[in-house]
Amino acid sequence: GEDVEQSLFLSVREGDSSVINCTYTDSSSTYLYWYKQEPGAGLQLLTYIFSNMDMKQDQRLTVLLNKKDKHLSLRIADTQTGDSAIYFCAESKNRGSTLGRLYFGRGTQLTVWP
Amino acid sequence: DTGVSQDPRHKITKRGQNVTFRCDPISEHNRLYWYRQTLGQGPEFLTYFQNEAQLEKSRLLSDRFSAERPKGSFSTLEIQRTEQGDSAMYLCASSPPRGAPEAFFGQGTRLTVV
Repeated sequence: GEDVEQSLFLSVREGDSSVINCTYTDSSSTYLYWYKQEPGAGLQLLTYIFSNMDMKQDQRLTVLLNKKDKHLSLRIADTQTGDSAIYFCAESKNRGSTLGRLYFGRGTQLTVWP
Repeated sequence: DTGVSQDPRHKITKRGQNVTFRCDPISEHNRLYWYRQTLGQGPEFLTYFQNEAQLEKSRLLSDRFSAERPKGSFSTLEIQRTEQGDSAMYLCASSPPRGAPEAFFGQGTRLTVV
């Protein structure tokens, strides 16, 4: 939705790093998430970060959070063709919202070329 | 536990018919969410259950939509008098009662209204 913005497309070569960016508007957001969606499938939770952290690393995935600029990024190291999918950024808000309700961006289509 | 399960995976129906979808959350997850996703968009929140209580409904959920979670386990989403605009992917997610609000999604039900 309009609370979370992402660029729509990203293309990279196999073996390169991918960086997917996201901006959000609500400074009260408590958790920020990255989900992956393959064609015709549901959403797979990749990772999440609590708003008082600025970085989280999990194997090939690195999440960076700049709370001042309300900017979140997902870096995928050594990108593989199997990483081709749509990546969604999502936030959960602390105030004025249902616990755990997620607000999603439109998604970034990542295409990995061999 | 195999994760969140949704049934059916696909449903084609004629305009004006009623349809019902089922969601089985992960065991012991007391929080359950329904989302709708249309082509090129991120999921949008429809409704939320904590145990058997429906605590929030989005304005997207018109009078033709009803959701239940009678025993606090599985949930159903019914759409009455379907319209072509109801064609979408309907996603169910569940979250555990404590800790970080990680939402795990099912594979979704793809509804096509013809």
